[in-house]
Amino acid sequence: EAQVTQNPRYLITVTGKKLTVTCSQNMNHEYMSWYRQDPGLGLRQIYYSMNVEVTDKGDVPEGYKVSRKEKRNFPLILESPSPNQTSLYFCASRPAGGGADTQYFGPGTRLTVL
Amino acid sequence: QKEVEQNSGPLSVPEGAIASLNCTYSDRGSQSFFWYRQYSGKSPELIMFIYSNGDKEDGRFTAQLNKASQYVSLLIRDSQPSDSATYLCAVPVRGSYIPTFGRGTSLIVHP
Repeated sequence: EAQVTQNPRYLITVTGKKLTVTCSQNMNHEYMSWYRQDPGLGLRQIYYSMNVEVTDKGDVPEGYKVSRKEKRNFPLILESPSPNQTSLYFCASRPAGGGADTQYFGPGTRLTVL
Repeated sequence: QKEVEQNSGPLSVPEGAIASLNCTYSDRGSQSFFWYRQYSGKSPELIMFIYSNGDKEDGRFTAQLNKASQYVSLLIRDSQPSDSATYLCAVPVRGSYIPTFGRGTSLIVHP
């Protein structure tokens, strides 16, 4: 089954404790991206990647890192999480040459930073 | 300024009515637009994609694009309570179909 998986789905952590949210897709997609969603602010793009070793900042990259060492994985790293990073996070992927309807979203990761 | 702007709502309509959702965009060079629907706590799902001026219809949904005025709208005919959700307008990052989203408009369809 074609899918984007995220782990963990729920996480409660404390300020300053480094964490990684994993994102993996099994469709050999070139493009992957991370979003955060907060009430009243919609989905804001954090980082995106158009291929292995190619990443670009989105609208709200501060406090986050990403890496794209393999095509299937695009982890989101919070080196020193802070309470303002409490949010719902979505990973997404799509093929480079696909049509508009070939975007796949993961199920979301709800992160709480105390 | 965000690339796309939406009124956050909520927009409340009675069942059976037409819901009209609007989105304006700042980049005159934007060529295509998405409309996504998102239920609370769930992933967004694509409901319409439009890239040419005029209307595009799909079932009860009609997307309208006006490039001269830089707005795109979504009409939902015969609104149902199950249409109650947040509707997100999005434009692709240049050179890709990776969407960047507006804030979304909350729609409530009441029986």
